[in-house]
Amino acid sequence: DAKTTQPNSMESNEEEPVHLPCNHSTISGTDYIHWYRQLPSQGPEYVIHGLTSNVNNRMASLAIAEDRKSSTLILHRATLRDAAVYYCILRTGNQFYFGTGTSLTVIP
Amino acid sequence: NAGVTQTPKFQVLKTGQSMTLQCAQDMNHEYMSWYRQDPGMGLRLIHYSVGAGITDQGEVPNGYNVSRSTTEDFPLRLLSAAPSQTSVYFCASSAQRNSPLHFGNGTRLTVT
Repeated sequence: DAKTTQPNSMESNEEEPVHLPCNHSTISGTDYIHWYRQLPSQGPEYVIHGLTSNVNNRMASLAIAEDRKSSTLILHRATLRDAAVYYCILRTGNQFYFGTGTSLTVIP
Repeated sequence: NAGVTQTPKFQVLKTGQSMTLQCAQDMNHEYMSWYRQDPGMGLRLIHYSVGAGITDQGEVPNGYNVSRSTTEDFPLRLLSAAPSQTSVYFCASSAQRNSPLHFGNGTRLTVT
């Protein structure tokens, strides 16, 4: 069974905020939550990661639920270059477990 | 800075043939790993290494071998290719346990 579940696809208007949800109900106390994105014919690209507290960087914000069973990746202003497949991933020890990803379409 | 380099970019094999997918990184990263990506699915971990001389199995290790004789290189060997191994293969590295992964651009393998 997948360790993370995400919606298959989402749409957003350009310059609007985007909230990408992820459920990880079987997460353990030492698992890190990572987000990567992938453009066609490229390898995944790191976006953000966290353990318990909300995290911000230049690309995005990560909001982690208090019980850690879900998280949300927030893109503050979607651009056309943000159109990609976004993966929510659990890092358990030395292993990364990818979900099936959310394909984000950005509408001009 | 080259980052993570994978060769070849494309490969076609016949069933039963063997081959090695190459992965090299120039960032002095201790952690390296191999994934496969099948249509409509996320990446699945095949094997990983936490340093030279140390390797371990991931989610889908059957049919693949790895070795880590140097920090820079982490080749993936298919001993007897099968059509089920048709996939896109990605190599990734990271500096420390909870550092971000850096991915190569992948090798697209077709087994006929």
